[in-house]
Amino acid sequence: SQQGEEDPQALSIQEGENATMNCSYKTSINNLQWYRQNSGRGLVHLILIRSNEREKHSGRLRVTLDTSKKSSSLLITASRAADTASYFCATAPGSNDYKLSFGAGTTVTVRA
Amino acid sequence: DTGVSQNPRHKITKRGQNVTFRCDPISEHNRLYWYRQTLGQGPEFLTYFQNEAQLEKSRLLSDRFSAERPKGSFSTLEIQRTEQGDSAMYLCASSLDPAGAGELFFGEGSRLTVL
Repeated sequence: SQQGEEDPQALSIQEGENATMNCSYKTSINNLQWYRQNSGRGLVHLILIRSNEREKHSGRLRVTLDTSKKSSSLLITASRAADTASYFCATAPGSNDYKLSFGAGTTVTVRA
Repeated sequence: DTGVSQNPRHKITKRGQNVTFRCDPISEHNRLYWYRQTLGQGPEFLTYFQNEAQLEKSRLLSDRFSAERPKGSFSTLEIQRTEQGDSAMYLCASSLDPAGAGELFFGEGSRLTVL
């Protein structure tokens, strides 16, 4: 079973627009991570936010975490065609548990 | 290239055959993970190693599946008597985490098709 659920399942936007996707999870976490996967390829780590952090930025990425609501959001600003990919959130349950649980992902299509 | 390497990238086999996948992690990483991903889904955890010790196995890993990491370097995932339901992408990842779960570095995956 998968811990996280992303919303929406799919998103289509114009180049230059922002893309926002959400992740909800069920149990307490040590950290939450976002990964990108291009079609048929492996996953690439984007950003990690710890349970005691509320917001984190990395380039055009902004991640928020609300542990009271057990939810996170990923914002990609000024999207580009190269951002077309599937995005997954992954949760790490605890400090001694190294097993990441992934959601089903959000498929983002950026139209030129 | 010093990333995670997986071989073969694609494998087509007939039901009932055995297959083996190999993963070469980033050399200094002590943790190695196997995940399975089916179309339209996120990766599902199968098993992980810390050095050569297999520390956790998912219930998804039936007795037809076996994973090894001899000497704490490369790892192999063998599936015996393959079934059509085994068709998936098998992803390997490695990490070096002195304190808790951190970033995983994934390989490009090995796609299995069972006919």
